[in-house]
Amino acid sequence: GESVGLHLPTLSVQEGDNSIINCAYSNSASDYFIWYKQESGKGPQFIIDIRSNMDKRQGQRVTVLLNKTVKHLSLQIAATQPGDSAVYFCAETSDFNKFYFGSGTKLNVKP
Amino acid sequence: DAMVIQNPRYQVTQFGKPVTLSCSQTLNHNVMYWYQQKSSQAPKLLFHYYDKDFNNEADTPDNFQSRRPNTSFCFLDIRSPGLGDAAMYLCATRTGRIGEQYFGPGTRLTVT
Repeated sequence: GESVGLHLPTLSVQEGDNSIINCAYSNSASDYFIWYKQESGKGPQFIIDIRSNMDKRQGQRVTVLLNKTVKHLSLQIAATQPGDSAVYFCAETSDFNKFYFGSGTKLNVKP
Repeated sequence: DAMVIQNPRYQVTQFGKPVTLSCSQTLNHNVMYWYQQKSSQAPKLLFHYYDKDFNNEADTPDNFQSRRPNTSFCFLDIRSPGLGDAAMYLCATRTGRIGEQYFGPGTRLTVT
């Protein structure tokens, strides 16, 4: 399958700060990307997605940026809260059927 | 409201003893997935069904099989579990029209 990887395995931020989680992918044919949040003992939960024809998409407190030139996407969380503490995965697909996950970043939010 | 249900949440099996994990959905989604997730790792796609069409990943061991008797249910059969098969097994669904996957809570499999 395609290779999707993350630069930082663990990220610690202070409550109220902004967080940026990065993801690199290798398949230039990938055209749809999703960020998931996974809390301990639970399945991944959808956060936000982006198609390859966009370079930015915003949700509530979250923004995803896509740079197709360098095959990189990032998740920005504004005003990080303790409830944001979790592992974050990016996933990508080139056919909308098979989804491949990156290695994950653990976000620790310090009160 | 439970949308993707996995039973049991915890399963213990013996080395070499066949085990079946189940997944059901109330979303009427076309696509159902099985992922394996080992500790501190990303979910790894094992296979998926698009309606009744089965799609196996090239690196999924033959030890892993799946059945989808109807839209709502999908099973993961591990014919001869090894110690290396201990993991969280995640089921997910997706409607054929959009990309978002809905995950169940997972079944944590222990092999003794």
